[in-house]
Amino acid sequence: QVQLQESGPGLVKPSETLSLTCTVSGGSINNYYWSWIRQPPGKGLEWIGYIYYNSEYTSYNPSLKSRVTISIDMSKNHFSLRLTSVTAADTAVYFCARDRGQLAIDYWGQGTLVTVSS
Amino acid sequence: EIVLTQSPGTLSLSPGERATLSCRASQSVSSSFLAWYQQKPGQAPGLLIYEVSNRATGVPDRFSGSGSGTDFTLTISRLEPEDFAVYYCQQYGSSPLTFGGGTKVEIK
Repeated sequence: QVQLQESGPGLVKPSETLSLTCTVSGGSINNYYWSWIRQPPGKGLEWIGYIYYNSEYTSYNPSLKSRVTISIDMSKNHFSLRLTSVTAADTAVYFCARDRGQLAIDYWGQGTLVTVSS
Repeated sequence: EIVLTQSPGTLSLSPGERATLSCRASQSVSSSFLAWYQQKPGQAPGLLIYEVSNRATGVPDRFSGSGSGTDFTLTISRLEPEDFAVYYCQQYGSSPLTFGGGTKVEIK
């Protein structure tokens, strides 16, 4: 059974950089897209972006593109999110997920709440 | 960007009743890449339907998806107690991938 686990600071100061890692276990990282999605408290889902397993392709939400980087480390079976210059509007539960392309997102991490506050 | 509008925002029904959830896209969804997810409080979303009408592994057959182009529907034929949750549609045929605002199915 594939499992994804997010890790990283739960509190980030305004203007600083949010960094999260998602560790994949129980399955290979190969041949999938690996996504980040966020959900502000009490609100809906927002796709941040994804990366192909071999790093040959990334795609980001244009609303965040100037601030986002997604990277992957196949040797460690994990992928990461960096979001720079954060504000209170970036406060959300951040989910990592496995995207099977045309077969949609089939596995999600449990999510981690990141609060932006001084 | 394709905007997905879900209606109604909240659906109040009793167990055993039929639920019909709507998802309307601002433009045609490419290659029928439309999915539905269920989310319960404090949990991550879970995949129900992909490619408009294909049930994900382990999803009961009381869940069905239909539609094409810009209009899509998720139907729950007979609500079970565990079905009361929030449902999101997602299009993944065009970047950026987008989600609808969600429909909450609550117990009447």
